[in-house]
Amino acid sequence: DTEVTQTPKHLVMGMTNKKSLKCEQHMGHRAMYWYKQKAKKPPELMFVYSYEKLSINESVPSRFSPECPNSSLLNLHLHALQPEDSALYLCASSHPTTGWREQYFGPGTRLTVL
Amino acid sequence: GNSVTQMEGPVTLSEEAFLTINCTYTATGYPSLFWYVQYPGEGLQLLLKATKADDKGSNKGFEATYRKETTSFHLEKGSVQVSDSAVYFCALSSSNFGNEKLTFGTGTRLTIIP
Repeated sequence: DTEVTQTPKHLVMGMTNKKSLKCEQHMGHRAMYWYKQKAKKPPELMFVYSYEKLSINESVPSRFSPECPNSSLLNLHLHALQPEDSALYLCASSHPTTGWREQYFGPGTRLTVL
Repeated sequence: GNSVTQMEGPVTLSEEAFLTINCTYTATGYPSLFWYVQYPGEGLQLLLKATKADDKGSNKGFEATYRKETTSFHLEKGSVQVSDSAVYFCALSSSNFGNEKLTFGTGTRLTIIP
């Protein structure tokens, strides 16, 4: 089973709201990733967690706050977002036995900021 | 640094036509190469992969061969179907130990007409 699940599928929020995106995998993967994808563009890496510790932050604004409470879960907390943050947010995971390189993606959360 | 150059799209083909989407790369070390597919409104799916020179990845009738001498990983399919309409991303990864970054090409939008 190579399934990564993400909730919610769609999210609409105002600029003063606080919301969270959730990602879950039960493949025993120990690296998890957040990507942002704008229309007609490839995904852009935001954060990487390796063994539940943040290992890469690609200079993402502090209004995005990641959290990895355990090896199966990854959250992205959102606060005071801007309309330009509207995008598809993708979660991915990978496993050390594949050298970490093979990433499996979830279906994404489509975020609209009003 | 790493980079992936992918065939410009969009590409429109008739059903049962032969497909080639070109991909070339620049990378340090010994990269793994991937093709991901994104159907409308969905996340990315790993279509195929190759981890060393001369490896051939294949899945669902698609094939790509890791050519180190030409630094290429072109995607081919002998007879496309309407259901193959999607965006295809070539990607590479050359890091290890959980600090993994996928470098994506710009994506090629493929439309198959009946």
